[in-house]
Amino acid sequence: DVKVTQSSRYLVKRTGEKVFLECVQDMDHENMFWYRQDPGLGLRLIYFSYDVKMKEKGDIPEGYSVSREKKERFSLILESASTNQTSMYLCASSPIAGKYNEQFFGPGTRLTVL
Amino acid sequence: QKEVEQNSGPLSVPEGAIASLNCTYSDRGSQSFFWYRQYSGKSPELIMFIYSNGDKEDGRFTAQLNKASQYVSLLIRDSQPSDSATYLCAVMNPPSNTGKLIFGQGTTLQVKP
Repeated sequence: DVKVTQSSRYLVKRTGEKVFLECVQDMDHENMFWYRQDPGLGLRLIYFSYDVKMKEKGDIPEGYSVSREKKERFSLILESASTNQTSMYLCASSPIAGKYNEQFFGPGTRLTVL
Repeated sequence: QKEVEQNSGPLSVPEGAIASLNCTYSDRGSQSFFWYRQYSGKSPELIMFIYSNGDKEDGRFTAQLNKASQYVSLLIRDSQPSDSATYLCAVMNPPSNTGKLIFGQGTTLQVKP
């Protein structure tokens, strides 16, 4: 079974802190994604990566950065956390399989910024 | 116009009925379509994907794709209370090598005993 794990289930941080969210997948997938999910706004793509050290901006990259030094690990960084970044953060991965690219999701990290 | 649109609901059906969930998309070049189920507080999990016009059945679930009309639907037969969840429609546009999906906002389904 594909397993995508995220470093924390719940996280509370203070405004201005630098926050690291980590995601690890164990199925040798090339593609990895970071989303945030907010009520009424659905899943919004922050960043994605289709190869080691490669990254592309999604729909809402402002205030975030990412790092992918190893194939299995994709980190989301909030450089200076703000209250409007309080959200559920979901990581996903998928193989390169043409048009059948199912994304597998991690359990999510609920981040609260005070 | 949003790229992938779903009625947010809630859609309420009695137990045993057929639940019909709909999704429209704006890009005629879209090539693959996915239905995810998300229980409250949990992450999305894939139910079905479809890429050819017509119907695709898997147990109580049937996905229907009509590329000419740019809609995809999910039918759930013999709905159960355990089907109560939010259903997310996702679309893949070319190029497909990045695996990027565009998600709708989801439809909340309530199945009443």
